[in-house]
Amino acid sequence: EAQVTQNPRYLITVTGKKLTVTCSQNMNHEYMSWYRQDPGLGLRQIYYSMNVEVTDKGDVPEGYKVSRKEKRNFPLILESPSPNQTSLYFCASSSKYPSDYGYTFGSGTRLTVV
Amino acid sequence: QKEVEQNSGPLSVPEGAIASLNCTYSDRGSQSFFWYRQYSGKSPELIMSIYSNGDKEDGRFTAQLNKASQYVSLLIRDSQPSDSATYLCAKASGSARQLTFGSGTQLTVLP
Repeated sequence: EAQVTQNPRYLITVTGKKLTVTCSQNMNHEYMSWYRQDPGLGLRQIYYSMNVEVTDKGDVPEGYKVSRKEKRNFPLILESPSPNQTSLYFCASSSKYPSDYGYTFGSGTRLTVV
Repeated sequence: QKEVEQNSGPLSVPEGAIASLNCTYSDRGSQSFFWYRQYSGKSPELIMSIYSNGDKEDGRFTAQLNKASQYVSLLIRDSQPSDSATYLCAKASGSARQLTFGSGTQLTVLP
């Protein structure tokens, strides 16, 4: 089944403790992206990647890191999480430009930072 | 001004009615637009895309685009309770052609 897989689905952590949210897609998609979703603010893009080793900042990149060492994987790293990063996170992928095909989203990771 | 604006709702319509969801955007250079549906606790799923002025129909869904007025809308005919969800409008823009989303409109279809 074609899908975007994120792990974990739920995560509670403490301020300052480094964490990684994994994302993997099995569709051989070139584009991948991370969004966060907060009430009243909608989906906001954190980072995106156009291919292996090619990444760029989205609208809200502060406090996050990403890497794209393999085409299928695009992990999101929070080096020192803070409570304002409590949010619902979605990984997404697209075969070509998202403007042409839109993004396919993973199931989401609900992160709570205390 | 937000790049993509949607009325957050909630919008309630009776079963069988037409639900009309609207979205305005600020960047005249935006070329493509998308409507996503998001059920509570689930991920967004793509339901429609539209690139040209006019209407695009897919089953009970019709997307409408007016670039001169900078708005895009989604009509849902014969609304069903299963259509109750949050509808997200998105546009593609910039050289990287990434998607920018509105905050969504919550739709409730009453049986």
